[in-house]
Amino acid sequence: GAVVSQHPSRVICKSGTSVKIECRSLDFQATTMFWYRQFPKQSLMLMATSNEGSKATYEQGVEKDKFLINHASLTLSTLTVTSAHPEDSSFYICSADRDSARDEQFFGPGTRLTVL
Amino acid sequence: AQKITQTQPGMFVQEKEAVTLDCTYDTSDQSYGLFWYKQPSSGEMIFLIYQGSYDEQNATEGRYSLNFQKARKSANLVISASQLGDSAMYFCAIGPGTYKYIFGTGTRLKVLA
Repeated sequence: GAVVSQHPSRVICKSGTSVKIECRSLDFQATTMFWYRQFPKQSLMLMATSNEGSKATYEQGVEKDKFLINHASLTLSTLTVTSAHPEDSSFYICSADRDSARDEQFFGPGTRLTVL
Repeated sequence: AQKITQTQPGMFVQEKEAVTLDCTYDTSDQSYGLFWYKQPSSGEMIFLIYQGSYDEQNATEGRYSLNFQKARKSANLVISASQLGDSAMYFCAIGPGTYKYIFGTGTRLKVLA
C-alpha cells in the first residue's frame, strides 16, 4: 500500500511552453502533498506544500506565479511550470502525507523536466 | 527552524560489511520524526526507516537500524551486511516542522564487491 504515482516521468519541452505534472496517491487519501525540486547531485529542496481545497504554501524564493499548484482532490495534486525556461530543467518529486501517526511521506517516482 | 547535517558526501564499504551513515539535526520542536531515504540512480525516493523523537528504542527495519542519540541530536543509519544493491544516495530528513520536512545533503554509498 501507500503508492504515489507521478506523470509524466520525463518531459522535454520548448522554452516558453507550460508543463503540467500530476501527482496521485493511488491507495490512500492525502490532505497534504509536497513538491520538491532536485538538481543533479544535490538534495531535495521543498518548493511548496499543497493542501487539498486551499492555496498552496510556497517556500521562500519560489515564484508562485511560475509554479502553479492545484490540489483539487484528496488524491491529486498538480504542478504546472508556466513559461518554462532552460533553468527550470530539473527533477521534480512529489510526496504525499498519509496522515499516519508517524507522518511518513510517500514519494512519487519523480519527473525529469528538460527545457530546450 | 530545523536543520539536517550529513557530513559524509561519499562512503565506501566492502560487501557483507556494516556501514554507518552519519546524520545530525537541529530543531526547536519537542516532537519530531527522523527519516532515512534511499535514492538509487533511477531517482525514486525509497523509505528505509523512521524514528520518533519520543521513541525510547532505536528503530530497526531488516538490515537497517537507526542509532538515535537524542541528547547529541544524532540519528545515524546503520546498514548491516551490505549488498551491492545498497549502492545509492542516502538522505536523512526531519519533520514535520511547521508542516514541512527538511532533507540533508545526502551521502553517496558505494558497496564494493
